[in-house]
This record gives sequence, C-alpha cells and structure tokens, in this order.
Amino acid sequence: GEDVEQSLFLSVREGDSSVINCTYTDSSSTYLYWYKQEPGAGLQLLTYIFSNMDMKQDQRLTVLLNKKDKHLSLRIADTQTGDSAIYFCAEQTGGYQKVTFGTGTKLQVIP
Amino acid sequence: GAVVSQHPSRVICKSGTSVKIECRSLDFQATTMFWYRQFPKQSLMLMATSNEGSKATYEQGVEKDKFLINHASLTLSTLTVTSAHPEDSSFYICSARRGQGDTEAFFGQGTRLTVV
Repeated sequence: GEDVEQSLFLSVREGDSSVINCTYTDSSSTYLYWYKQEPGAGLQLLTYIFSNMDMKQDQRLTVLLNKKDKHLSLRIADTQTGDSAIYFCAEQTGGYQKVTFGTGTKLQVIP
Repeated sequence: GAVVSQHPSRVICKSGTSVKIECRSLDFQATTMFWYRQFPKQSLMLMATSNEGSKATYEQGVEKDKFLINHASLTLSTLTVTSAHPEDSSFYICSARRGQGDTEAFFGQGTRLTVV
C-alpha cells in the first residue's frame, strides 16, 4: 500500500532556502504533488512533477524526484515569512489514480 | 488549469441532522472524484473514490451508510454526512480527475463542517 512520510517541522530564517523532504513507498506513482495549507484554509497546489521527470523548477520552487530512492523534495529559494504554512507532499497511484497525502511539514520562517 | 468548486465552504449544523457537500468540476468532465477528510493538525485521509454512474468505493473504516456519496454526473459528486455528530466535525475536501489514464487530480478548496 501507499505510505508517504515527511518530517513534521522545519524552521528557517527569512531569505534562506528551505528544503522539505518526502519519502514514499509505492513505485507505481504517476504524479507527485506539493500542496501548501495555511491555518484554517484549503489546499493550494504549489507544483507537481510527473514521475518520468527528475526535476522541475517554477520560480522560487524546485522539485527534485529520485525514483530509485522514492524520495521527493521541495526547495523554496529566498524563503519569506508568507511561506510559513504546512506543506504536504502527495503521490497519485493505482488504477483509480487516488492521491495519498504525506503527514505534512510545518514550515516556520523566522524574520 | 482545471477548476474544482466545493460548496459550501463552511457549514455549521446541529447534531443529528444531515449535511450535503457538493463538488463540481467546472471546466472538465470528471470520471473519478475523491473525498478526503482532514482532522485538526493531521493529514488528509482518503474516505472514498467515486466513479460516475457507479457505487463509491470506501476506504477501510469509513462508514458508507453515514457518508453517502453520489456521483450522478460527470461534473458533480455529493457527500452527505447523515445524522452528524460532533466527532464528524472536520475539513472535507474533494478532488476530481479528468478522463482515464494518467491525468492529474485537481482539488476543491474544502468544506469546514462543524457539528454542534
């Protein structure tokens, strides 16, 4: 079955880069996502990567995918206080292509 | 990108009543829709997968008689929480997938249900 793990907490200083890591177990994933959730709010899709890619860059965001190690990371360059939120990675798998979410990483940006 | 709209965004209901949440794909036809639940400070857990015109497939531990899912058309799925109790208070999010094969999922903004 699917199991998606993340570290629970990350603290960085404003202006530094943040790297949020995610590991998953299902090798048949098709899409892997990064979502942002601010307190009391819904999910905001940040970016996603198709499983046949190993890197995707979108402005301040860089996604790296290591399929061999089943490891996904999200790098946020020049982290701002507005980036403080919970970040979920998620993988899409299976015949129905359901999405399984990670445990979430709370990013705290210190001014 | 594709848009998935959920309604209502917030609802407060009395214990024992039923609440219906709608999930619509606005600019595409969704053959498969998913319903998730998120408890405070926890991740999102898949409740069920619904395909248009057929019965939903529920995840283990989710009561199908309590959480009624209807995927009546290619653009609408509904989740009805029947005889709601305070422990059903949660954040419910739907997602929709376009067509068959390897297509990405799009998420609604979620519905915050509070049962008093």
